[in-house]
Amino acid sequence: ETGVTQSPTHLIKTRGQQVTLRCSSQSGHNTVSWYQQALGQGPQFIFQYYREEENGRGNFPPRFSGLQFPNYSSELNVNALELDDSALYLCASSTNPSPNEAFFGQGTRLTVV
Amino acid sequence: AQTVTQSQPEMSVQEAETVTLSCTYDTSENNYYLFWYKQPPSRQMILVIRQEAYKQQNATENRFSVNFQKAAKSFSLKISDSQLGDTAMYFCSLDSSYKLIFGSGTRLLVRP
Repeated sequence: ETGVTQSPTHLIKTRGQQVTLRCSSQSGHNTVSWYQQALGQGPQFIFQYYREEENGRGNFPPRFSGLQFPNYSSELNVNALELDDSALYLCASSTNPSPNEAFFGQGTRLTVV
Repeated sequence: AQTVTQSQPEMSVQEAETVTLSCTYDTSENNYYLFWYKQPPSRQMILVIRQEAYKQQNATENRFSVNFQKAAKSFSLKISDSQLGDTAMYFCSLDSSYKLIFGSGTRLLVRP
């Protein structure tokens, strides 16, 4: 167990809806990164939050947005869901923006129908 | 652009035998980190081993070791004395500033 928890574990949404995924970072960690892992592929970087500010973003459209709270937990919001958004969403927390000491959560499996 | 390539979609090994997973990468950085992550059916990414590019000595962690060839941009993972619990997806990864770039993964099956 890494101390990084994600909720919910699974969820099913309808195309066009909005979804919020949550990540509770490990104690002492101030950085959270989000990744999307489509079936049969490696994770793709979505964005990173460091001390409540977005610190970097991958090649994802603006309907993917995020937030980090003062306790360093984080949310990933996806608006106007598309079928291709179906994936495993992973968050990773670390003590600084470098990914060298990142610990991953167990992921949220999102299915868009 | 930085890329990571894993050319073996699936591998199979007999329990107690040794298996090597391949990975090549491309980066213009001179100093970087490389990683192997394990993803079992529980889905959680677990760090197996890490290599710093400026260190010539290959990293080892118990039964896991790497063969890091910086000039060839190759980073293979050797698993010795394979165990049933090693069955999982294995991802090679490269750090790029604040993010990780992952390969497409190798599915490893350890046969009893």
